[in-house]
Amino acid sequence: NAGVTQTPKFRILKIGQSMTLQCTQDMNHNYMYWYRQDPGMGLKLIYYSVGAGITDKGEVPNGYNVSRSTTEDFPLRLELAAPSQTSVYFCASRNSGNSYNEQFFGPGTRLTVL
Amino acid sequence: GENVEQHPSTLSVQEGDSAVIKCTYSDSASNYFPWYKQELGKRPQLIIDIRSNVGEKKDQRIAVTLNKTAKHFSLHITETQPEDSAVYFCAATSGAGSYQLTFGKGTKLSVIP
Repeated sequence: NAGVTQTPKFRILKIGQSMTLQCTQDMNHNYMYWYRQDPGMGLKLIYYSVGAGITDKGEVPNGYNVSRSTTEDFPLRLELAAPSQTSVYFCASRNSGNSYNEQFFGPGTRLTVL
Repeated sequence: GENVEQHPSTLSVQEGDSAVIKCTYSDSASNYFPWYKQELGKRPQLIIDIRSNVGEKKDQRIAVTLNKTAKHFSLHITETQPEDSAVYFCAATSGAGSYQLTFGKGTKLSVIP
């Protein structure tokens, strides 16, 4: 299994541009998550999904959108990029069932908005 | 919602010494407390976790303790080695259905050879 994969690894955007961060998992996990990690800070939840067709906002959803058309894929869309969105973005997934199941993280996407 | 506080933010220890990182949480409904290790430029990886019905769990040089009454849990690393140098994050389940994790801000551990 490849686990959780993310593309691209790095990206530089200009203010006002848009892009989609891709996330795919091959573990048949129902739950998927998008986090951002700013320097010196922990991971903050942007959006999450408990299954195909179901998404919900996390702690910091403004400026982002998600979709979940399949179990495997959970893309994150940035519209009108702003410097405040400069961060490292991690996608994660876990099995459904009880709350004890481990979250597995992807390798991250480092995004810079100039 | 859940709030997780983590201390200290940085910690330096001599190789072979012990390191302790402490976290507090606010939601008494939280029932799962994982610890993640993140090396520079890498993804967070689970190193140990504890459920709310357990007071202590140990895995070789790493242990976690949980005090539900006081709402705090701690990570203990004994006989530290240079490869233990990393950022460590605590987390607690949160949200309806406990689908989510709320993370602490992290502790940068440096093990000095």
